[in-house]
This record gives sequence, structure tokens and C-alpha cells, in this order.
Amino acid sequence: GENVEQHPSTLSVQEGDSAVIKCTYSDSASNYFPWYKQELGKGPQLIIDIRSNVGEKKDQRIAVTLNKTAKHFSLHITETQPEDSAVYFCAVLTQGGSEKLVFGKGTKLTVNP
Amino acid sequence: EAGVAQSPRYKIIEKRQSVAFWCNPISGHATLYWYQQILGQGPKLLIQFQNNGVVDDSQLPKDRFSAERLKGVDSTLKIQPAKLEDSAVYLCASSLWLRQGNSPLHFGNGTRLTVT
Repeated sequence: GENVEQHPSTLSVQEGDSAVIKCTYSDSASNYFPWYKQELGKGPQLIIDIRSNVGEKKDQRIAVTLNKTAKHFSLHITETQPEDSAVYFCAVLTQGGSEKLVFGKGTKLTVNP
Repeated sequence: EAGVAQSPRYKIIEKRQSVAFWCNPISGHATLYWYQQILGQGPKLLIQFQNNGVVDDSQLPKDRFSAERLKGVDSTLKIQPAKLEDSAVYLCASSLWLRQGNSPLHFGNGTRLTVT
């Protein structure tokens, strides 16, 4: 089955700095790559996604890049703010049989004021 | 729009007891999912419904877990009997239709289960 590796597991940055989280996957047929933000005591919330026919997508301070050849994609947060502190999960949509989202193990981001 | 509703928010039970979780998806969402999230890990799919039919339950431990979605709206997930390793947050999610690449998942806030 699909294997999703996410790094780093924890990330601490100063307010205003950039943060980058990377994920790799194993199934070259996968074609949809969402990122979720999970705050304490809440469910994951979709913040940005990208499809395999696009190399980069940006939404204000958040961007995602995809390298299909290398099978990795990254989340970039610029001008970080304390409210960006949360756990971030990447996910990959598998294509074998029924579609299924496989999640990475998460990155705990702390933005220090 | 109202989000995915789950109850209870917390549950503490002893091993070998039974427990049930309830989920009400976003109105009009045909697809409903139950995920298990163990502390420090990402969510893992347990079961997926399309209306009231099961699409995928390959990762559901069927000897102790069961789920139903009567009338294609609300859903319940049951564990009987519970084991210590079932301690986790159980997340319900829904999407407008089956093709997730075109219909993002919306998660509820989950039920945190502690088995002692």
C-alpha cells in the first residue's frame, strides 16, 4: 500500500520566518495531495491541496509544491504568525481499488512570538 | 454551513466494555468516513460509506468494530469489546461525493476514547 513519510516531526520558528514541511510517497499513480492543519482538540482542516497536473499552488501565505518525478511535495508557510502553531498533516490519495487518503504522521509547528 | 457533528467528545471505559460513537455529517454529503487517530500519528481510515452502503472497510477490525449508516445520513461506530490499544481519537468526516480529489473532506472534532 501507499507509504507517506513526513518530515520534520517538530518544527520551531520565530514569528515572521518561513516554515517548510516535506512529504514523500511511494505510489506513482497517486494524483491528489492535500494538506491539513489540526489545532488542539479539533479535527483536521484542509488548508491547501494540489493535483498532479500542477507543480505549484499558492494561497496567500501558504504554498504547496509537487515534484512527481521524485514523488515528494512540500508545504511552505511564509511570514509565520503565532496562530499558525498547530500540527500539519500531508496526505496522499491512493488509486488502487477504492480511493483512500493516507496521512503522514504530522509535523508539530510552533511559532514563537 | 453547519459542520460535522460528533458525540460524545470524551469517553473513558474499561477494557472489555463496549462503546458507541455518533456522527452527523454535513447536510447533503453523500460520503461519510470514520478515521482512527492514535496519539502522535495521522488519521487512519476505518470505514467509508457512500450513502448507506459500505465502500471500503478493509482496515476495520471487524471482530470488535462495527459501523452503520442507516438512511444514509447519521452514522454510529461501535467497539465491543474494547482493548487498551483502541485508545485514540475517532474522527468522522464527510464529503459531497465519492471522488475525494474533487470533493474535500470535512472533519468533525472527534471523540477521544480512553480505555483503562
